[in-house]
Amino acid sequence: DADVTQTPRNRITKTGKRIMLECSQTKGHDRMYWYRQDPGLGLRLIYYSFDVKDINKGEISDGYSVSRQAQAKFSLSLESAIPNQTALYFCATSDFKGGRHYNEQFFGPGTRLTVL
Amino acid sequence: QQQVKQSPQSLIVQKGGISIINCAYENTAFDYFPWYQQFPGKGPALLIAIRPDVSEKKEGRFTISFNKSAKQFSLHIMDSQPGDSATYFCAASFNFGNEKLTFGTGTRLTIIP
Repeated sequence: DADVTQTPRNRITKTGKRIMLECSQTKGHDRMYWYRQDPGLGLRLIYYSFDVKDINKGEISDGYSVSRQAQAKFSLSLESAIPNQTALYFCATSDFKGGRHYNEQFFGPGTRLTVL
Repeated sequence: QQQVKQSPQSLIVQKGGISIINCAYENTAFDYFPWYQQFPGKGPALLIAIRPDVSEKKEGRFTISFNKSAKQFSLHIMDSQPGDSATYFCAASFNFGNEKLTFGTGTRLTIIP
């Protein structure tokens, strides 16, 4: 079973709709992240959470919100989707006590979101 | 503001050749430099990483070369194989305890027979 899962894997929606992307992990990590990937722009951080009570904005948080429901769950919401939010979205986790390196991030398989 | 600049955007290398991807950073407070590998339809995965106290890190066919004075680091893939075809991202992060990663824009590597 995958350690970091994302649902849905693909989603097509219309402008103005509210969308929620969900991320769950079984790695027991405290730290979770949301990124978006666009061709030619790489991976950009949207929000991150170092524990359940800690939520922080990344470099491109406008138009997005998050909820950390539990240590294992971190959801990303688009309150009113717009076409330039069409992208590949990744959730990631990390735990500086573990991994091959102190800051190894483990990524989910991604959600491809299309906003028409 | 792009704090980590990566080049080239795409690269085609013949099987058995050396693949080289370059990154440059601006902020001297960065102290951890990983490379991530992403196959189509998958999330990125850590490939290799280096701290600035060494100039080179080697793991199998993969080597990071680090030049602190030039604020540059590069990934070298020796004896490149078709299975190495993927997108590669360099990244950087700040001091221990603030582990946000800043990624480069990615390089799509294709190894041809």
